Amino acid sequence: NAGVMQNPRHLVRRRGQEARLRCSPMKGHSHVYWYRQLPEEGLKFMVYLQKENIIDESGMPKERFSAEFPKEGPSILRIQQVVRGDSAAYFCASSPLLGQGAGMNTEAFFGQGTRLTVV
Amino acid sequence: DQQVKQNSPSLSVQEGRISILNCDYTNSMFDYFLWYKKYPAEGPTFLISISSIKDKNEDGRFTVFLNKSAKHLSLHIVPSQPGDSAVYFCAAGLTFGEGTQLTVNP
Repeated sequence: NAGVMQNPRHLVRRRGQEARLRCSPMKGHSHVYWYRQLPEEGLKFMVYLQKENIIDESGMPKERFSAEFPKEGPSILRIQQVVRGDSAAYFCASSPLLGQGAGMNTEAFFGQGTRLTVV
Repeated sequence: DQQVKQNSPSLSVQEGRISILNCDYTNSMFDYFLWYKKYPAEGPTFLISISSIKDKNEDGRFTVFLNKSAKHLSLHIVPSQPGDSAVYFCAAGLTFGEGTQLTVNP
């Protein structure tokens, strides 16, 4: 049973380009979470998605960032017009049960992350 | 508004001794707490969890204690081993603490 798969592992983009980060959850998991870890900082929640639905995007920056989890295929985190401050490790996690705010009652399984570098 | 806080960014202990990592939270609605371990260049991995109906959960060398009245939980590792050296994150709901870098010296 493959774990959470993220690709690419490393991504270099020039300022102003678009970055697309992909995440395939574990088999049987229908809940996906995206986190960002800036250098020397902790994990910051960005967005929680179920298939075709955004459940909680309270951690997403208001501009340039978007996420989707289509019926078929991986979840995508898209960053438009990247800036140097977007350089970070982006982690995706998945879980089989409902995770919603204070009610989350299961562990999440994390991918190895995508390290985005904006030059 | 940081709802989950780990006030110690780092902790250093000797091999064989006890490691105690602390975590505080502010949201009394949290009812399930988790600890994750993270090595460099890898994603976090689940370590141990505790439900709010318990005050202690033990798994081998790892024990998590929950004090609901104080909104505080702690992770005890005993005996500590060099392979335990990693960043430990406390989590509640979708929120992670800032992490504590544990270093276990041989």
